[in-house]
Amino acid sequence: GESVGLHLPTLSVQEGDNSIINCAYSNSASDYFIWYKQESGKGPQFIIDIRSNMDKRQGQRVTVLLNKTVKHLSLQIAATQPGDSAVYFCAENRPSGGYNKLIFGAGTRLAVHP
Amino acid sequence: EPEVTQTPSHQVTQMGQEVILRCVPISNHLYFYWYRQILGQKVEFLVSFYNNEISEKSEIFDDQFSVERPDGSNFTLKIRSTKLEDSAMYFCASSEAREGQGKGYTFGSGTRLTVV
Repeated sequence: GESVGLHLPTLSVQEGDNSIINCAYSNSASDYFIWYKQESGKGPQFIIDIRSNMDKRQGQRVTVLLNKTVKHLSLQIAATQPGDSAVYFCAENRPSGGYNKLIFGAGTRLAVHP
Repeated sequence: EPEVTQTPSHQVTQMGQEVILRCVPISNHLYFYWYRQILGQKVEFLVSFYNNEISEKSEIFDDQFSVERPDGSNFTLKIRSTKLEDSAMYFCASSEAREGQGKGYTFGSGTRLTVV
């Protein structure tokens, strides 16, 4: 069933709390990072991005922080809502041979409780 | 808002059969991609395509797989002689710029392939 193969870490939060989802990336050549939200049965949905020459970027209720020194990325969601429940993936844009490809992290499941 | 469209949404096929997964990228995008997601796992890069040729492919993308842009709008992934382990969600994505700037890569809703 749905539980087979599920090895995602889960973050459980109360509605209204702030959520912080963390991600470590591997390649120091990666120059652009994206956070995606994936709901069950759907494709990755863009949330927010950040280029490597920045360390913070804010959107509506979301903030991405980038620490290139330790190759760490975080997504902060303010006032988390039940509709935020989903799997969140960080992705790094990795230059390769003049082109680019997007490499995804393992994902974190966010569970928002009323 | 422009979308990447994938068909079919669900494909069931018998082991050993060939399948073609179809994608219509966003019309002004130049870079196209296929990704795979086995149930409960992360999204894995398969192949990137630009200017009518493969620009990069992963180790997963072996001779069993091929991609084609048969006309100005469609981008297809063909899987020959399907195996049980090919069962997964397959996502098509496109981007306008090489660097995937702005909203980066736009993903379709995926095709769930089930090999029985």
